[in-house]
Amino acid sequence: NAGVTQTPKFQVLKTGQSMTLQCAQDMNHNSMYWYRQDPGMGLRLIYYSASEGTTDKGEVPNGYNVSRLNKREFSLRLESAAPSQTSVYFCASSGGITQPQHFGDGTRLSIL
Amino acid sequence: AQRVTQPEKLLSVFKGAPVELKCNYSYSGSPELFWYVQYSRQRLQLLLRHISRESIKGFTADLNKGETSFHLKKPFAQEEDSAMYYCALIAVHNAGGTSYGKLTFGQGTILTVHP
Repeated sequence: NAGVTQTPKFQVLKTGQSMTLQCAQDMNHNSMYWYRQDPGMGLRLIYYSASEGTTDKGEVPNGYNVSRLNKREFSLRLESAAPSQTSVYFCASSGGITQPQHFGDGTRLSIL
Repeated sequence: AQRVTQPEKLLSVFKGAPVELKCNYSYSGSPELFWYVQYSRQRLQLLLRHISRESIKGFTADLNKGETSFHLKKPFAQEEDSAMYYCALIAVHNAGGTSYGKLTFGQGTILTVHP
């Protein structure tokens, strides 16, 4: 059971570079989410997709874009990376409105 | 707007001692509350949800609507319980005719159990 799979696991970028974080789930979940985790800040929601074909901003969307490619996949893009975006990024999915979210292993992103 | 507060960033206990991780929430609707655990450099895992009223790894949590709390308790802590614990609340939101659950996390409590 893969659950939620994120790639890559680690990445180092230079300021101004762009990259896309990939996320896929095999649980046939409707909703998918991107969070960032920073020391002392807990997890903060960047973007979410309530269902295939829809995306909406979370608490900290600035500097990011997302694409819900299909029901399985939800990608997060940094168009012009900044050092403030150094963080651990988690993707999650859930099967229902009040159902628990299932998380991927995370992507450690460092921006120099 | 919903809010989850975990007042303790760090909590240290000795093995065999009772442990209680505090969580308070504010939400105008009927809350769906969870505890997640994150072991060192691993993914977040669901530990408990309030509606299931079960005990996982010896942990229990009771929803107290009067005090708006959902504290996590274990009578005898073990070294393998050392981890980051997040309390979380799902609030139901509507956007463009679609309902979804927005998960709000507390800032987390790092539990260290000493031998």
